Amino acid sequence: AQSVTQPDIHITVSEGASLELRCNYSYGATPYLFWYVQSPGQGLQLLLKYFSGDTLVQGIKGFEAEFKRSQSSFNLRKPSVHWSDAAEYFCAVLGDYKLSFGAGTTVTVRA
Amino acid sequence: GAVVSQHPSWVICKSGTSVKIECRSLDFQATTMFWYRQFPKQSLMLMATSNEGSKATYEQGVEKDKFLINHASLTLSTLTVTSAHPEDSSFYICSASPAQGASYEQYFGPGTRLTVT
Repeated sequence: AQSVTQPDIHITVSEGASLELRCNYSYGATPYLFWYVQSPGQGLQLLLKYFSGDTLVQGIKGFEAEFKRSQSSFNLRKPSVHWSDAAEYFCAVLGDYKLSFGAGTTVTVRA
Repeated sequence: GAVVSQHPSWVICKSGTSVKIECRSLDFQATTMFWYRQFPKQSLMLMATSNEGSKATYEQGVEKDKFLINHASLTLSTLTVTSAHPEDSSFYICSASPAQGASYEQYFGPGTRLTVT
């Protein structure tokens, strides 16, 4: 069965600084990978996804993620964080026709 | 586009009563809908998948008689928690997909916070 690990429960970053969120997955075949963001009172929003092709994926809101098969990772990055990026971030892998989510990483942005 | 709503956003009910949560796709037809449960500081756990007009498929360990799912139309699915108990208190999230079984394309609702007293 597939699984996702997000090693960082909580990250605090200064506004304007770079951000990297880690995601490691376990899946036997070629994975379909996703990053979602969850803000209070709002549903999960898809930031980006990887199905195949270029391993560096560009998403919305200035986010990007890099798929590294050798490391079973799909880390999310943003070069310069804005206060509005404070939220919960979830990595997910598609397997057996369903999404499996990591436990999430809470991002706090300080002024 | 691709907006999914849930109602209510939060509900408090007494132990032993039933509560219904609605999930609507506002601007597309949702062939498949998913129901998740999220505990504090934990990930979303898939409870069941439903296709319009068919019985829901429940994940292992989910009591189908306790969590009744109805997907009667292409824009509405309901989750009824029957004889709720405090351990059913949780955050319930639905998602909808315009294509049958397309787990790779899901649009999520904002969630419903259920508290059972």
